[in-house]
Amino acid sequence: QSVLTQPPSASGTPGQRVTISCSGGSSNIGAHHVYWYHHFPGTAPKVLMSRSNQRPSGVPDRFSGSKSGTSASLAISGLRSEDEGDYYCATWDDSLSGLVFGGGTKVTVL
Amino acid sequence: EEQLVESGGGLGKPGGSLRLSCEASGFIFSNAWMSWVRQAPGKGLEWVGRIKTNTDGGTTDYAAPVKGRFTISRDDSKNTLHLQMDSLKTEDTAVYYCTTLGYCSGGNCFPLNWGQGTLVTVSS
Repeated sequence: QSVLTQPPSASGTPGQRVTISCSGGSSNIGAHHVYWYHHFPGTAPKVLMSRSNQRPSGVPDRFSGSKSGTSASLAISGLRSEDEGDYYCATWDDSLSGLVFGGGTKVTVL
Repeated sequence: EEQLVESGGGLGKPGGSLRLSCEASGFIFSNAWMSWVRQAPGKGLEWVGRIKTNTDGGTTDYAAPVKGRFTISRDDSKNTLHLQMDSLKTEDTAVYYCTTLGYCSGGNCFPLNWGQGTLVTVSS
């Protein structure tokens, strides 16, 4: 059971908007920034969002992040086939003194 | 271009040991905090631990499931990160990724660049 809770799956048709939630607590999301990673099986995971809402260089502006209280979310607008894969939220947890990941959300483009 | 290449994965027996390596290139390795993250079959990502630069004390931190069994070390002369895995358990079966750490704030840093991973299977 992950410390951070994500929905196991999300889907949409090309061009649609998909939102992935990440729920935690006061010792993790409530106290620290959230990071998002995209992982396509067989490849190296890639940073998608840093410090809750900042896109690293090269990440399209179709991706946006937000955080409020002990929850965070990642939105993908203008969904494309290459957006398929697994998405993970991550943050630091003060109680565990370590980095924690969400369970991952599998995004499917229908 | 930053590159991380893991090696050393394979089959290990319960109670046995394995040593993973991660060869870094394309950046100043000695200046980088590094970490290991794993993914068990059909499961999500799980942080294993991290090591700071020698300038920052070279200290290590570990996730509870591996603390006391795994040891992270670095050889800056060879631009290589190691993960010594002792007292292996079947639940250690996973793909192990080496990562650089960045976006540091208040002593907490997050995975930045990742290797392709190396598969460790623990089975009798």
